[in-house]
Amino acid sequence: DAKTTQPPSMDCAEGRAANLPCNHSTISGNEYVYWYRQIHSQGPQYIIHGLKNNETNEMASLIITEDRKSSTLILPHATLRDTAVYYCIVRATLTGTASKLTFGTGTRLQVTL
Amino acid sequence: GAGVSQSPRYKVAKRGQDVALRCDPISGHVSLFWYQQALGQGPEFLTYFQNEAQLDKSGLPSDRFFAERPEGSVSTLKIQRTQQEDSAVYLCASSPTSVTGAGYTFGSGTRLTVV
Repeated sequence: DAKTTQPPSMDCAEGRAANLPCNHSTISGNEYVYWYRQIHSQGPQYIIHGLKNNETNEMASLIITEDRKSSTLILPHATLRDTAVYYCIVRATLTGTASKLTFGTGTRLQVTL
Repeated sequence: GAGVSQSPRYKVAKRGQDVALRCDPISGHVSLFWYQQALGQGPEFLTYFQNEAQLDKSGLPSDRFFAERPEGSVSTLKIQRTQQEDSAVYLCASSPTSVTGAGYTFGSGTRLTVV
C-alpha cells in the first residue's frame, strides 16, 4: 500500500472549515484514499473514501487532486467534538478478500473556541 | 448490540501472566480484524479473520500471541506470558463483507497494562 504523509498537528477555530491535507505521491491506479479519525479513548471511525472523484457525505468532503498524488479532507464547520487524530490511508479495493488498513501517525486536529 | 463490543475495557496483568481479550463484532459481519495501538502511535495490524478462517496473521508479534474465532462470530485474542512491551490498546474491527472498501467498524479497545 502507498505511503501517506500528513502534518502531525493542526488547529482550527470552532465553526470554521478544517482542511486536512495528505500526500500520497506513490499511489497506484487501483488504490483508494480512505480517511478515519480517532477521538480520545475510542476506536477509529470511518469518515469517507474515494478513488479519483471528489466525494461528500454527512461528515465531510474529500477532494482528490487530478494527478491523485494528494488529497484534502474538509470538515465544513468544525466543532469541539471534531477534535481527534485523523488518518489518511491509501489501499487497493479487491473483491473476494478484505485486508488490513495501514495507519500512519495521522494529524492531530485541535478545534478551539 | 449496535457496535463492536470489546471486553474487558481495561486489564492490568502481572508480567508472565496469560490474558484473554474478547471481541463481539456486529452480528453477521464476515470480516474481523485485531490491531495493536501503542501510546502515541497509529493502530498496527495483528490478524484478520473471514468468518472462522484466520486468513492473515502476519502482524502477530510473536508466538505468544494467538487469536481464534471458532464459530465465525466472537473472537478472542490471547497473549501468553505477558511482557511489558505488550502494554497497549488492543482494537477489534469488523466489516459486513469480505470486500475491502466497506468502512470498518472499530470497538473502543481493551487497554492492557503489564506491570
